[in-house]
Amino acid sequence: GAVVSQHPSRVICKSGTSVKIECRSLDFQATTMFWYRQFPKQSLMLMATSNEGSKATYEQGVEKDKFLINHASLTLSTLTVTSAHPEDSSFYICSARRPGGVETQYFGPGTRLLVL
Amino acid sequence: GQNIDQPTEMTATEGAIVQINCTYQTSGFNGLFWYQQHAGEAPTFLSYNVLDGLEEKGRFSSFLSRSKGYSYLLLKELQMKDSASYLCAFMDSNYQLIWGAGTKLIIKP
Repeated sequence: GAVVSQHPSRVICKSGTSVKIECRSLDFQATTMFWYRQFPKQSLMLMATSNEGSKATYEQGVEKDKFLINHASLTLSTLTVTSAHPEDSSFYICSARRPGGVETQYFGPGTRLLVL
Repeated sequence: GQNIDQPTEMTATEGAIVQINCTYQTSGFNGLFWYQQHAGEAPTFLSYNVLDGLEEKGRFSSFLSRSKGYSYLLLKELQMKDSASYLCAFMDSNYQLIWGAGTKLIIKP
């Protein structure tokens, strides 16, 4: 199967600071990557769809100025949580769509963010 | 509109068989996915169905009926490590995944 990495796996930060999370597709080129957030015991919530070379498409209710997404290359997308607050504490998961064949999304291992 | 529904929680016995159902409604459909998610981890891909019928992959099988908006995941010879949440999701006409809330499967010895 395809491999997607995410870094860091875990981060603790102070309220008001910014945190950058990287998502990389290691063995394929991903023109589209997705960013999800998952709160405890809840399902995945799509935050935004990231397309290489263009602006991300944000889901309703997700602040694009707070959650900055950059998809600079076919293998890397970054999510920056700006001015993080305790309510932003969550499990952030990226996925990458492998082109051709089945439109399967392969997930990164996730980043657990704790904002103090 | 679009919606997708699956049971919140199921319990089964080690060595037994369990079927997790998923129903959905959508005007545009590009396939139905099942993912497994262990606590604290990201989802991992299990299966994809785009045509009606049963797809078998080892101990896991997935079934789809497009006319009924219905899918199920069948797990045989259950093992303790199968304790996890199972997420169904359909892909809509925009190739966007619409996720169910997940079914937490508890396996008892």
